[in-house]
Amino acid sequence: EAGVAQSPRYKIIEKRQSVAFWCNPISGHATLYWYQQILGQGPKLLIQFQNNGVVDDSQLPKDRFSAERLKGVDSTLKIQPAKLEDSAVYLCASSSQDSYNSPLHFGNGTRLTVT
Amino acid sequence: AQSVTQLGSHVSVSEGALVLLRCNYSSSVPPYLFWYVQYPNQGLQLLLKYTTGATLVKGINGFEAEFKKSETSFHLTKPSAHMSDAAEYFCAVTFQGGKLIFGQGTELSVKP
Repeated sequence: EAGVAQSPRYKIIEKRQSVAFWCNPISGHATLYWYQQILGQGPKLLIQFQNNGVVDDSQLPKDRFSAERLKGVDSTLKIQPAKLEDSAVYLCASSSQDSYNSPLHFGNGTRLTVT
Repeated sequence: AQSVTQLGSHVSVSEGALVLLRCNYSSSVPPYLFWYVQYPNQGLQLLLKYTTGATLVKGINGFEAEFKKSETSFHLTKPSAHMSDAAEYFCAVTFQGGKLIFGQGTELSVKP
């Protein structure tokens, strides 16, 4: 089966600019996650979707971050405006069930550098 | 507060030596426990998981981990390290189906 696809792989922007990341999960996976991984730290959940509905966005900085999964398949994460501390790898993951008993499948991530 | 701690941000072993990566959690409720591996410039891949049942869990690539409730630990081991094991390893925990919480990671280096 094809894995989780993410694009772009790398992005460099200046602070206060906007940026968007795209994720296409494994076919049939209802649950989609966006994680932020800052250098030297473990991934931190930003938002979890079940189909096209939001399950958990408690750690999403909503003043600048937004995410959508309009048709319950692929998803877009946007940052506007970006800050220096947003420099990180943004990982998308999907699973077949809304349960952590079902393993997460991760994409290769998008490495964002904000200058 | 529920949390997970990995002891040692960097572990270095010789090829053929025992690998031991430590993970402890804090929780008053039974957790689900996971180990993920991340190779350079790639996403995370599940190594193994514990949910219920046998406390010694075997995973891919010869790794295994043992859930010790009395010690609130879930250490990852491999009897003999291989060069290809060099990567970053993350312990993760979820409590009663809540969000997955990752440790800060341990980078494993394998010397020839």
